[in-house]
Amino acid sequence: EPEVTQTPSHQVTQMGQEVILRCVPISNHLYFYWYRQILGQKVEFLVSFYNNEISEKSEIFDDQFSVERPDGSNFTLKIRSTKLEDSAMYFCASRPNINQPQHFGDGTRLSIL
Amino acid sequence: QKEVEQNSGPLSVPEGAIASLNCTYSDRVSQSFFWYRQYSGKSPELIMSIYSNGDKEDGRFTAQLNKASQYVSLLIRDSQPSDSATYLCAVDKADYKYIFGTGTRLKVLA
Repeated sequence: EPEVTQTPSHQVTQMGQEVILRCVPISNHLYFYWYRQILGQKVEFLVSFYNNEISEKSEIFDDQFSVERPDGSNFTLKIRSTKLEDSAMYFCASRPNINQPQHFGDGTRLSIL
Repeated sequence: QKEVEQNSGPLSVPEGAIASLNCTYSDRVSQSFFWYRQYSGKSPELIMSIYSNGDKEDGRFTAQLNKASQYVSLLIRDSQPSDSATYLCAVDKADYKYIFGTGTRLKVLA
């Protein structure tokens, strides 16, 4: 069964550095999402992406964050000037259309030191 | 008022029993509802989706939706220790993003 794949599984970064989290959505999916989950807390929506542009973003997704689909397969989340509070699990999700459920990748655990 | 509310638990049930998980939501515009299972340190895994009022059964799982009461539930029959996890209720808002509840931690006792 096709899967959403995320790399790396664990990223350790010094505070203030930039980090790029990578996702390969399922190939025929058109809607892409990033969520984050701080340890012990709920899964929070960050951003949705469709037709090569952001369709919705949360208050969390400020100027520090950006997303990109640089080619036909990858979907990336860039976090600039990382802060300690950016430490979390980041999940990528995709779905073929808005009437189908989202499928989640295994996540990237981001640790900011 | 939280957009999606769940009792955080833990909900403890003996092996073989029925586990009942509940979720309420605040936005009446919401049309699609999902239950995900999340093991500790892992990603959410889709268990059930439900879109219309009533019950939907899939194996040991039954989802129930009542839009008038803004309530969705998940029943797990013949609960197994492997069902022990956190169950996340997700509501698909009209702008097509998920809003998750905090999750209910289920413990099935062998």
